[in-house]
Amino acid sequence: EAQVTQNPRYLITVTGKKLTVTCSQNMNHEYMSWYRQDPGLGLRQIYYSMNVEVTDKGDVPEGYKVSRKEKRNFPLILESPSPNQTSLYFCASSPLQGPNSPLHFGNGTRLTVT
Amino acid sequence: AQSVSQHNHHVILSEAASLELGCNYSYGGTVNLFWYVQYPGQHLQLLLKYFSGDPLVKGIKGFEAEFIKSKFSFNLRKPSVQWSDTAEYFCAVNGGYGQNFVFGPGTRLSVLP
Repeated sequence: EAQVTQNPRYLITVTGKKLTVTCSQNMNHEYMSWYRQDPGLGLRQIYYSMNVEVTDKGDVPEGYKVSRKEKRNFPLILESPSPNQTSLYFCASSPLQGPNSPLHFGNGTRLTVT
Repeated sequence: AQSVSQHNHHVILSEAASLELGCNYSYGGTVNLFWYVQYPGQHLQLLLKYFSGDPLVKGIKGFEAEFIKSKFSFNLRKPSVQWSDTAEYFCAVNGGYGQNFVFGPGTRLSVLP
């Protein structure tokens, strides 16, 4: 089944403790992206990647890191999480070509930083 | 830079009312346009998309959208909403291969039974 898989679905952590949220897609998509969703603020893009080893900042990259060492994986790293990073996070991917290019979203990761 | 605006932050309708959600974008070139829906507690799902051809596109669950190039608009419509359409709706734009996606801020739709 074609899908974008995020793990974990829920995560509670403490300030300063490094964490990684994984994202994997099995559709051979070139484009991958991370978003955070907060009440009243819609979807805000954190980082995106057009292909392996190519990453770019989105609207709110501060406090986050990403890597794209292989096509299928695009982990989101919080080196020193802070409470203002408590949010719902979505990973998405797209082939970026023609009619099949819509974004496919993962199920989300709800992160709480205390 | 590309941007997407959505006219309404929160829309409240009664069942069977007609729906139109506005979306305008700013982008100079060819665009691909999308509407996504997010039901409570779920991830975003594609409602419909426009790439080329007929500017009136039909999506799932009775939704449709019309691309008006001269107005840079891609409004979402449904003739008769149901309680189950209660959700958040996002308009998005992509300039094609090699281009980033840009989302609008979303419109929350509440349908009263």
